[in-house]
Amino acid sequence: EDQVTQSPEALRLQEGESSSLNCSYTVSGLRGLFWYRQDPGKGPEFLFTLYSAGEEKEKERLKATLTKKESFLHITAPKPEDSATYLCAVIQGAQKLVFGQGTRLTINP
Amino acid sequence: NAGVTQTPKFRILKIGQSMTLQCTQDMNHNYMYWYRQDPGMGLKLIYYSVGAGITDKGEVPNGYNVSRSTTEDFPLRLELAAPSQTSVYFCASSRQGGGYTFGSGTRLTVV
Repeated sequence: EDQVTQSPEALRLQEGESSSLNCSYTVSGLRGLFWYRQDPGKGPEFLFTLYSAGEEKEKERLKATLTKKESFLHITAPKPEDSATYLCAVIQGAQKLVFGQGTRLTINP
Repeated sequence: NAGVTQTPKFRILKIGQSMTLQCTQDMNHNYMYWYRQDPGMGLKLIYYSVGAGITDKGEVPNGYNVSRSTTEDFPLRLELAAPSQTSVYFCASSRQGGGYTFGSGTRLTVV
């Protein structure tokens, strides 16, 4: 059965303190891994799609990387506005996404 | 450019009542989905559709029904509401191979 596990569950950083979020997955034949950002009271917002090991994508202070077993979301010099829950998901079957439980990130000024 | 629109945003139901959560998308996406999100549990797939007239069960379909008569609309029906259905419900749509676009959610409380 396809599974996605994110760690840590919660992370609190000071503004400017870089760190990484982890997404471990078990899936038979990865066809895509997605990262989403979710703000309180809102729906998830698409960030990145990664398709193969070694692939990297960047957007502002965020960089997503992919290996055969896990993905990392690196956040460099974060700002308070980067505070959100970050969700990881893998494609299962015909375009269905299986989500991890998320990492709640808080950036203190 | 509305994207995915969900109504209502909030609703309180009594045990045993029924209701329909509405979802409309204007991006001509073939794929549509209903997820529920409980605290600390991530998003769980309830039902999905690969096109008008075609629907299938996800991971947690019990107590729910869907229909897809048009490309744009994918309503979710709750029959005989139970406290276990208290959750936040998200509708999403996508093209094949593309990322999902989510609605803003419906927060449902069953008392």
